Amino acid sequence: GEDVEQSLFLSVREGDSSVINCTYTDSSSTYLYWYKQEPGAGLQLLTYIFSNMDMKQDQRLTVLLNKKDKHLSLRIADTQTGDSAIYFCAIRGNDYKLSFGAGTTVTVRA
Amino acid sequence: SQTIHQWPATLVQPVGSPLSLECTVEGTSNPNLYWYRQAAGRGLQLLFYSVGIGQISSEVPQNLSASRPQDRQFILSSKKLLLSDSGFYLCAWSVTGGTDTQYFGPGTRLTVL
Repeated sequence: GEDVEQSLFLSVREGDSSVINCTYTDSSSTYLYWYKQEPGAGLQLLTYIFSNMDMKQDQRLTVLLNKKDKHLSLRIADTQTGDSAIYFCAIRGNDYKLSFGAGTTVTVRA
Repeated sequence: SQTIHQWPATLVQPVGSPLSLECTVEGTSNPNLYWYRQAAGRGLQLLFYSVGIGQISSEVPQNLSASRPQDRQFILSSKKLLLSDSGFYLCAWSVTGGTDTQYFGPGTRLTVL
């Protein structure tokens, strides 16, 4: 399997931008995903990026991929209280299995 | 559209009792199916995956087992639960090709006492 690392906690003020970072080890990654988990719920797919892309934007979400440094980030613009959750990055290698980071708990403060 | 169901939503079981968690998918055929466990404050650990009826691969040796009796049904079982089996169990599905995105069910919270 692949090693996927995320910082565990992020605190952000409402209205500011949040940036969640993820690093991985496997250079054969194909698709890279961001999931959101609210308390007591399953994982909700937020967005994904293919490994031949550098950036993908979807409304308030921007994904940046630096394949050379094996670094993935998720930026949430104008962070709202509803964005408080755990965010997981997940990396797909050459098979159909995903390797997940431990998750970043984002807390939005007023 | 596709939906995924898991039940029960919560379960409290004594040590040594059996376990059966069920996952069903609607709206797609021949999905890949997955069982994950999420321990408190931790990431996801892949337990089992299945690419077809009767085809189960185990990722982590333990006292759990999985079965796929029908195309869109995936069952997680144990004959005797351990305290360490407590956690949040998530089922997911995907289809081969395209983005291979995995879509998750709502989860089952299992507490073993």
